[in-house]
Amino acid sequence: AQSVAQPEDQVNVAEGNPLTVKCTYSVSGNPYLFWYVQYPNRGLQFLLKYITGDNLVKGSYGFEAEFNKSQTSFHLKKPSALVSDSALYFCAVRDGSNYQLIWGAGTKLIIKP
Amino acid sequence: SQTIHQWPATLVQPVGSPLSLECTVEGTSNPNLYWYRQAAGRGLQLLFYSVGIGQISSEVPQNLSASRPQDRQFILSSKKLLLSDSGFYLCAGRTSGYTDTQYFGPGTRLTVL
Repeated sequence: AQSVAQPEDQVNVAEGNPLTVKCTYSVSGNPYLFWYVQYPNRGLQFLLKYITGDNLVKGSYGFEAEFNKSQTSFHLKKPSALVSDSALYFCAVRDGSNYQLIWGAGTKLIIKP
Repeated sequence: SQTIHQWPATLVQPVGSPLSLECTVEGTSNPNLYWYRQAAGRGLQLLFYSVGIGQISSEVPQNLSASRPQDRQFILSSKKLLLSDSGFYLCAGRTSGYTDTQYFGPGTRLTVL
């Protein structure tokens, strides 16, 4: 069965430092992977996705994610964190059978000035 | 790109009262539509999805129901609300076909008292 794990409930980073939010997955077949961000009391915003091609995917707001097939990971990264990056981040994988997304539990990212 | 509209933004309802939340989609035709509930600002629970007018699939048995009377309209309803129905309700849409990305509306915060 397809699944997604976000092993960190919360990540704390100082402003200006690089950030990483972790995601691992389990799928049968080729993985279609997504990252979304949610600000308080808002809907989710699409950040980036991996379908095929380059393992490093660039997305909105300076975020990027690295697909690693051998480690079944799709970690979200940013070279220099901003206080405004503080939000809830969700990783998701597409269920190959019905196009639905299977969601991780979310990671709260806190950027301290 | 598609835009998802939801209303109302917030709603406070007494236990036992009915519910109707509306979601409409702009910028695409024949979308796949989804209702999610998010409790305690964390994980997403898929409630219903629809691949077309009148076609509803339920993921979780409960006292909620969904309807799709028009191609770009998706309604979440209840005849009698329970305290446990409180939460943040999100509508999402995906253009049918190869595109996997779901786009979300701003959400409705429902409080049942």
